[in-house]
Amino acid sequence: KAGVTQTPRYLIKTRGQQVTLSCSPISGHRSVSWYQQTPGQGLQFLFEYFSETQRNKGNFPGRFSGRQFSNSRSEMNVSTLELGDSALYLCASSMGQGNEKLFFGSGTQLSVL
Amino acid sequence: GESVGLHLPTLSVQEGDNSIINCAYSNSASDYFIWYKQESGKGPQFIIDIRSNMDKRQGQRVTVLLNKTVKHLSLQIAATQPGDSAVYFCAETYNAGNMLTFGGGTRLMVKP
Repeated sequence: KAGVTQTPRYLIKTRGQQVTLSCSPISGHRSVSWYQQTPGQGLQFLFEYFSETQRNKGNFPGRFSGRQFSNSRSEMNVSTLELGDSALYLCASSMGQGNEKLFFGSGTQLSVL
Repeated sequence: GESVGLHLPTLSVQEGDNSIINCAYSNSASDYFIWYKQESGKGPQFIIDIRSNMDKRQGQRVTVLLNKTVKHLSLQIAATQPGDSAVYFCAETYNAGNMLTFGGGTRLMVKP
């Protein structure tokens, strides 16, 4: 089985712009979660989608949003980018039953200039 | 919110020795714990998990110990190899959710 695929791998944006990141989960997985990783804050949960519905949400501002499609692929969007949004954005997929191992992609490295 | 071991210490071991990586968690309601390994340029890779109704679980060369009394989790790696060099994260969740709270991580360096 192919693993979790995230595109693009690297992205450079300027302040004020918006960005969309994509994640294709492992085949058969219905849950997709997004995490932000920075040297200062570590790994932080953004949100989880299951069957096209947001099931859990972390403590991030409304500029961070996401969605999931019927084929379980997911996108996350960050609007009005700030310098502090520079981070590695990781997507993880799982069956969706809860309390289960998550499988992570290699992430999208976003740099905001 | 609750946090899990927010720091990034470094553990340096000799190849062939056993490694022990520790993690303190603060949410007494957590009922599922996972250890992940992250190599440079890659996403976290699942190593082993344990549920709160267990206190020990073994995998291939790895053992996880859970002490709910003191809210402590540890990962033991037997016969550490250079390929084990990475940052290791513990993570916890509760209430059948997939919302993981990660620790700050521990960098493991294996000396040949």
